[in-house]
Amino acid sequence: KAGVTQTPRYLIKTRGQQVTLSCSPISGHRSVSWYQQTPGQGLQFLFEYFSETQRNKGNFPGRFSGRQFSNSRSEMNVSTLELGDSALYLCASSTGFRATPNYGYTFGSGTRLTVV
Amino acid sequence: DAKTTQPPSMDCAEGRAANLPCNHSTISGNEYVYWYRQIHSQGPQYIIHGLKNNETNEMASLIITEDRKSSTLILPHATLRDTAVYYCIVRVDVGQGNTGKLIFGQGTTLQVKP
Repeated sequence: KAGVTQTPRYLIKTRGQQVTLSCSPISGHRSVSWYQQTPGQGLQFLFEYFSETQRNKGNFPGRFSGRQFSNSRSEMNVSTLELGDSALYLCASSTGFRATPNYGYTFGSGTRLTVV
Repeated sequence: DAKTTQPPSMDCAEGRAANLPCNHSTISGNEYVYWYRQIHSQGPQYIIHGLKNNETNEMASLIITEDRKSSTLILPHATLRDTAVYYCIVRVDVGQGNTGKLIFGQGTTLQVKP
């Protein structure tokens, strides 16, 4: 079955602009989590959506936001981009239910955002 | 902060077993230990997870100590393609169901050498 799809793969934006990244989870998965990866800070949790509701959030400023649609696809938005927002943004999908035998997270390949 | 401690790097000869240790001395009774790996510029890949008992799948084995304060991931016959950063994660639960976020530490960079 198809994996987690993130688009676009690469993106270059200018400081002050905003950006929207997309994530399509594995079919049937209802949970989508977003992570930021930088060389200095490593992998950091941004937020998680389940059934169109944000149910967990990391320690990022309000410029970072997200949403989830009824088909479980998710988008994250970063407004007023800063140079420090340059990173690999990863999303991960899971069923969202503890009872699943393997409720490990499946990650996409990420979107590489460069802010200039 | 991550709840696990791993050595920053390890080397392993191709064809030999790679044993990657992880310390999670503050783990609580209902927290699972997960292992993921990340090959350069790709998303992390799930390897294995466990609670108390040792686990084995087609990729690796997970040995958890009886007191659950540490674990070891074993890649039985390492190949060059196993060169990656390996993350040991204790899964943090928030509320009901599988709502937990994954807290990644710095991981162990495993270099498999010919």
